[in-house]
This record gives sequence, C-alpha cells and structure tokens, in this order.
Amino acid sequence: AQSVTQLGSHVSVSEGALVLLRCNYSSSVPPYLFWYVQYPNQGLQLLLKYTSAATLVKGINGFEAEFKKSETSFHLTKPSAHMSDAAEYFCAVSRDSSASKIIFGSGTRLSIRP
Amino acid sequence: EPEVTQTPSHQVTQMGQEVILRCVPISNHLYFYWYRQILGQKVEFLVSFYNNEISEKSEIFDDQFSVERPDGSNFTLKIRSTKLEDSAMYFCASASPLRTGGDYGYTFGSGTRLTVV
Repeated sequence: AQSVTQLGSHVSVSEGALVLLRCNYSSSVPPYLFWYVQYPNQGLQLLLKYTSAATLVKGINGFEAEFKKSETSFHLTKPSAHMSDAAEYFCAVSRDSSASKIIFGSGTRLSIRP
Repeated sequence: EPEVTQTPSHQVTQMGQEVILRCVPISNHLYFYWYRQILGQKVEFLVSFYNNEISEKSEIFDDQFSVERPDGSNFTLKIRSTKLEDSAMYFCASASPLRTGGDYGYTFGSGTRLTVV
C-alpha cells in the first residue's frame, strides 16, 4: 500500500522567507511523487513530479523538491516566498507515472505574512 | 493548454435526490477518474475508467455511485440517492500516454462543489 504524510497542516512564513513543506512517503514499490497546489476555490494544479529520473525536481513558480530515499521524504521548498504562494499544497504518490490512481496527503495550508 | 472541464461549478441538491456531475476530459485522453474532497479534508480517489469500463474503484465508490461515458466526449458521475455526507468537491481527471518521456499528462478539472441539503 502507498501513502504520504504531510507534517504540519498549516505553515506560515514571511514574504521573502524560505518555504519548506514536509512530506514523507510509504511505498512498497518505487514511488512516483507529486506536489499539487490548490488556490482558493480552484482545482488542482501540478507543481512538480518525481519519476526516478533525477532526485532534485524543479517545478513551476520557483518551487523544487528533493527525493531522499534514505529518509523516505519529498519535501517542497522555495527560496523566497511571495504573497501569491498562499494556497493549499498536497503531496501525492502513485505506483508509477502511468494511469494509476493518485493518493493524496492531507494537505498543508501555506500562509504568507507581509 | 488543453483543459478538463467540469459542469456545473456548484450544485445544490436535496437529500435523496439523484445528481449527475459532468466532465469533458481532454479530447485524446483514454483514462478517466473521479476524486472527491470533503471540506477541509484530503483529496480521495473514487474510481478510474478505461476502455468503457471501471478499472479500479475505492471503498467509497459503493452502489449509489455510477460512472458513464455516454457519447465519447462526456464523462459523468451519478449519485443515485444523495446523502448529507456526499457534500464535497468532486474532481474529474483524465490521462493518456504522451509521446515523450512516458508521461501520462494526468490533468485535473477545477471541480464541482456539491452541497446536499
């Protein structure tokens, strides 16, 4: 079975500060990992995904995530937060990069302080 | 960029009524999905559909739910007799192998918020 655990349901940072959203995964097979963002009253937008090609994955809007097998982690970072980054962020896992179902974490709400 | 389109964006229905949520997947996609997100909770997989049949379903997807691809373009989720606990955001998604990289271009719609009163 596969699952992801997001540490911290709410994270608040100052504008310009480092953003770090934590995600740990559990998988019996090599996982494919994703980060999605959901802005208020909108759908799910893919930020980035890990598909075993490179451990450091760069996504949209300046976000990146590093796959660490030894720590079973896939934390999301951004060097400098912007007010427009305020949203809900979901870590997710699937069996492979094909058409398998995606299993989501419980989400982390990111707030940005002026 | 191609989109998955869901209608309506918000639907209110009375408990016990049937409701149909509609989705237009990306035109050349072959795999279709429904997910739901109860307010304040995580997104949960409901069902996947391929080659005109259900390929996988979760425990949530019981006999009151059904899916259909009636005309080759729409993909619908029917809830036969709605309950209060069916109130949620329902997301449609579609996917299909892309030409490069083995990616499947998994794309979500913007969702339908269902409110059962």
